[in-house]
Amino acid sequence: GAVVSQHPSRVICKSGTSVKIECRSLDFQATTMFWYRQFPKQSLMLMATSNEGSKATYEQGVEKDKFLINHASLTLSTLTVTSAHPEDSSFYICSARPRGVANYGYTFGSGTRLTVV
Amino acid sequence: GQQLNQSPQSMFIQEGEDVSMNCTSSSIFNTWLWYKQDPGEGPVLLIALYKAGELTSNGRLTAQFGITRKDSFLNISASIPSDVGIYFCAGPPPEGAQKLVFGQGTRLTINP
Repeated sequence: GAVVSQHPSRVICKSGTSVKIECRSLDFQATTMFWYRQFPKQSLMLMATSNEGSKATYEQGVEKDKFLINHASLTLSTLTVTSAHPEDSSFYICSARPRGVANYGYTFGSGTRLTVV
Repeated sequence: GQQLNQSPQSMFIQEGEDVSMNCTSSSIFNTWLWYKQDPGEGPVLLIALYKAGELTSNGRLTAQFGITRKDSFLNISASIPSDVGIYFCAGPPPEGAQKLVFGQGTRLTINP
């Protein structure tokens, strides 16, 4: 089955630094990847949709200059949290849509727990 | 904002009991998905529904796509400890984008 690998699984960083999270599709090509954020005991909130080779589409209220998304290949998308602050601490999850697949059963990564201190 | 309303928000049951949860929307959805999330992990797809009225099973799980296209339910029969987790309904929003919106989730706790 389709596997999405997300790294790192946990990261602690100092306030003001930047953190990069990688999302890779291991056995399929993903034309579209999605980035979600999940606060404790809450649902997944979509941050942005990234299409390979083009600029990401951000959801309303998500700062594109703070959450930089790059989708340079069909198997890799990265999310960089720039100048992180404690309020950015959250669980970040990516998902991928396989190339050529018309349904919505996207595969999710295992998530990245970001703690900003 | 959130377009899918899930209930109940939490359930506390005994092992072996059946579980039922549902998801409703004020808008029509053409696809309904049910995911399960374990602590510290990403969601895993359980069942996908693509046709109004469709009833689909996956082991002890059964889900239905409501006829009105505004609701869906998920049943779990004979619950076991590994069923513990958060169950989310999800679907592409009415405007037809590729993205998914998620319900608030139902947190299932099982007493052995």
